[in-house]
Amino acid sequence: GNSVTQMEGPVTLSEEAFLTINCTYTATGYPSLFWYVQYPGEGLQLLLKATKADDKGSNKGFEATYRKETTSFHLEKGSVQVSDSAVYFCALFYSGAGSYQLTFGKGTKLSVIP
Amino acid sequence: DSGVTQTPKHLITATGQRVTLRCSPRSGDLSVYWYQQSLDQGLQFLIQYYNGEERAKGNILERFSAQQFPDLHSELNLSSLELGDSALYFCASSHPGTSGGITDTQYFGPGTRLTVL
Repeated sequence: GNSVTQMEGPVTLSEEAFLTINCTYTATGYPSLFWYVQYPGEGLQLLLKATKADDKGSNKGFEATYRKETTSFHLEKGSVQVSDSAVYFCALFYSGAGSYQLTFGKGTKLSVIP
Repeated sequence: DSGVTQTPKHLITATGQRVTLRCSPRSGDLSVYWYQQSLDQGLQFLIQYYNGEERAKGNILERFSAQQFPDLHSELNLSSLELGDSALYFCASSHPGTSGGITDTQYFGPGTRLTVL
């Protein structure tokens, strides 16, 4: 079945540090890949997506590239801010055999300190 | 604001009781998805409806049921509640594709936090 594995947290970084959160997936076919972010006390917000191999999703300074050869979709940001503190979820969407669900990783909690 | 609304925001109830969670999708969205977020299980897909019909089922217990009404709002019914049902329940919606199919991008509501005592 489909699955997503992302690096365990928590991750603590100083402001302006470089961020990488690793995400790898297992899926049949060619899923769409997503990063969602959950700020404290809130729901999930779509951060970025990529729908095919070599696509790069980007938003708010975050980037992730769909790597089919390594089945990865790592999230990166060059300079994090305190306001980026949140839980980040990697997810895949595969529509096949009547299934249209998002499969999520367990989430990585990021704390950015001034 | 994603445009997906959920009520109530918080719900506290006792074991054995029954509750109903409500979700209104974004304007124009035909698909509604329900997810459960708990500390031990993470985010789990429960069930999906498309234009009033059930389309996909995930890890939904038999004690749970859902429906989508003609105005496209959806309700998730949880019965014979147990302590382990305490969780955040999210609803998401997605827009139909250009050919009427199901698109991949889902927009989430703020969630309903259920506490079973």
